[in-house]
Amino acid sequence: AQSVTQPDIHITVSEGASLELRCNYSYGATPYLFWYVQSPGQGLQLLLKYFSGDTLVQGIKGFEAEFKRSQSSFNLRKPSVHWSDAAEYFCAVVMTTDSWGKFQFGAGTQVVVTP
Amino acid sequence: KAGVTQTPRYLIKTRGQQVTLSCSPISGHRSVSWYQQTPGQGLQFLFEYFSETQRNKGNFPGRFSGRQFSNSRSEMNVSTLELGDSALYLCASKLTPGQGRTEAFFGQGTRLTVV
Repeated sequence: AQSVTQPDIHITVSEGASLELRCNYSYGATPYLFWYVQSPGQGLQLLLKYFSGDTLVQGIKGFEAEFKRSQSSFNLRKPSVHWSDAAEYFCAVVMTTDSWGKFQFGAGTQVVVTP
Repeated sequence: KAGVTQTPRYLIKTRGQQVTLSCSPISGHRSVSWYQQTPGQGLQFLFEYFSETQRNKGNFPGRFSGRQFSNSRSEMNVSTLELGDSALYLCASKLTPGQGRTEAFFGQGTRLTVV
């Protein structure tokens, strides 16, 4: 079955430490890949996206993600976390054959940043 | 330019009632999608409208419906509310549907509580 998996429901990280959030997908072909962030009481904000080409993608707020076809993964990273990065992060995919671009989201990873 | 506007932000309804939520997309955007977000099911696609026509529909009962107006504003309606309909309803605006390559901008959502 087609799915998007974020294995970590909750991650706690110290301010200034590095952060890596995992995302794996299960589809017949490589889909379009996205990372969104949701702060409390807010909607979703796009951090970065991957369609094709360079497998290391730079996004906003100092985030980057690496696409690994062999592992069907699209992991999100940030070298040094700020307190304002505390939020919920969602990996999302869109099938390349989907004309209407429907998102399928992972369950999300809640990130807590400690002083 | 103004972002995606969803109204109202918060709503409390009683079981059995019906509710209408509104979404005004970014100016010039013609595609509007709706998603339901709950702690148990995560983010799930409801439907997408483009040029006043429903183009794609998720796996929700017929109690969930929507429409789009000529100015691209969209409404979704839920009839005969159930407790399980309590959720954050998010609207996403896109310039065109565009096979997943078109960036989607999300509103802040409407928090619906059914009591």
